[in-house]
Amino acid sequence: DGGITQSPKYLFRKEGQNVTLSCEQNLNHDAMYWYRQDPGQGLRLIYYSQIVNDFQKGDIAEGYSVSREKKESFPLTVTSAQKNPTAFYLCASSRGQAITDTQYFGPGTRLTVL
Amino acid sequence: QKEVEQDPGPLSVPEGAIVSLNCTYSNSAFQYFMWYRQYSRKGPELLMYTYSSGNKEDGRFTAQVDKSSKYISLFIRDSQPSDSATYLCAMKEITGGGNKLTFGTGTQLKVEL
Repeated sequence: DGGITQSPKYLFRKEGQNVTLSCEQNLNHDAMYWYRQDPGQGLRLIYYSQIVNDFQKGDIAEGYSVSREKKESFPLTVTSAQKNPTAFYLCASSRGQAITDTQYFGPGTRLTVL
Repeated sequence: QKEVEQDPGPLSVPEGAIVSLNCTYSNSAFQYFMWYRQYSRKGPELLMYTYSSGNKEDGRFTAQVDKSSKYISLFIRDSQPSDSATYLCAMKEITGGGNKLTFGTGTQLKVEL
């Protein structure tokens, strides 16, 4: 059963703490992405990775970090430097970086900072 | 000004109505257009994609692109309560943008019995 899994579904964090969101895919896709979704703002790109051991900043990378040690996994760390981390976080993957390569999304993680 | 503008709604229609969802854009480099559907608390799923001006039909859904006006639409015929969701338009540049998606803010649709 191919797809993208994200865990946990809900996450609560105290201010000042780092937290890591998991994203795993078994679609054999090379490219992976992290988006943040806020009400009224649509999806905004945080980081993306085209291949293992390589990643680039998106439009709103400040306060976030990623790693891509395995093709299947692209974890996102929300650091204490992120000023407003409460949001819905979506992971996506695509076969490659061609314009015709569709991005498929996971179910999301809702992060709330207490 | 945002690169992609989309009316946030909410839009409420009776079952069986024809729904029109719209986006405008300002970047002429956008050449590949998609519509995603997102149910509450779920990830978006791709509904339709197109890269040419004109209409593309898939069942009850029709995607329309007018590049001269920088305007895209999604029409839903015979709308059903199961169509209640947020609809996101998304666009890609044909060159230099790689696979980067630029999204609209989404339109929330409710189809009522």
